[in-house]
Amino acid sequence: EADIYQTPRYLVIGTGKKITLECSQTMGHDKMYWYQQDPGMELHLIHYSYGVNSTEKGDLSSESTVSRIRTEHFPLTLESARPSHTSQYLCASSEYLGGPSYNEQFFGPGTRLTVL
Amino acid sequence: AQTVTQSQPEMSVQEAETVTLSCTYDTSENNYYLFWYKQPPSRQMILVIRQEAYKQQNATENRFSVNFQKAAKSFSLKISDSQLGDTAMYFCAFMSGETSGSRLTFGEGTQLTVNP
Repeated sequence: EADIYQTPRYLVIGTGKKITLECSQTMGHDKMYWYQQDPGMELHLIHYSYGVNSTEKGDLSSESTVSRIRTEHFPLTLESARPSHTSQYLCASSEYLGGPSYNEQFFGPGTRLTVL
Repeated sequence: AQTVTQSQPEMSVQEAETVTLSCTYDTSENNYYLFWYKQPPSRQMILVIRQEAYKQQNATENRFSVNFQKAAKSFSLKISDSQLGDTAMYFCAFMSGETSGSRLTFGEGTQLTVNP
């Protein structure tokens, strides 16, 4: 398994709470990603980063925000959680290999979030 | 924008038999990469096999092989000698080789069950 970690693995919280989902990788990868995945459904990119101090919104609109202060760390924050935020959140990272070489993405174990 | 379609939400196969999962995609690009990822129940997403569009030869990884038909924009996964551990959700994914970011676009997924 790849060296990419997510905490917590499971989180149940009440509406209106501020939460931060942690993602860390020890591979020195410059690119990192956050995906949202509903049960049995495809993954949707919500945020990505090319490197330190770089963050971009993904294909699916999300009320969450991200930061990239350190290469290895890419936390996702929800300022005020709502039941509609209930989902699984997957973090991934990749490294540019140069030339025509693809950038394989390695995934973390995910955080399953339930907002009551 | 690219799209990826997996038309088989669920499939099942007997242990030791062969199964093929379908995937089609739509893109106007000529340089891209295709992937099959496996997501076992409550386990991390892992890469199964990858294919560079500029390579005509179909990729093979042990019991896993692909049938890449570039003109038809088809990318099916064949699993030979199926094992119980192959039970998982399988996602087909597309990555552009012409735009930066290494972003993946996923299909809806196929739930494969291997029966003893």
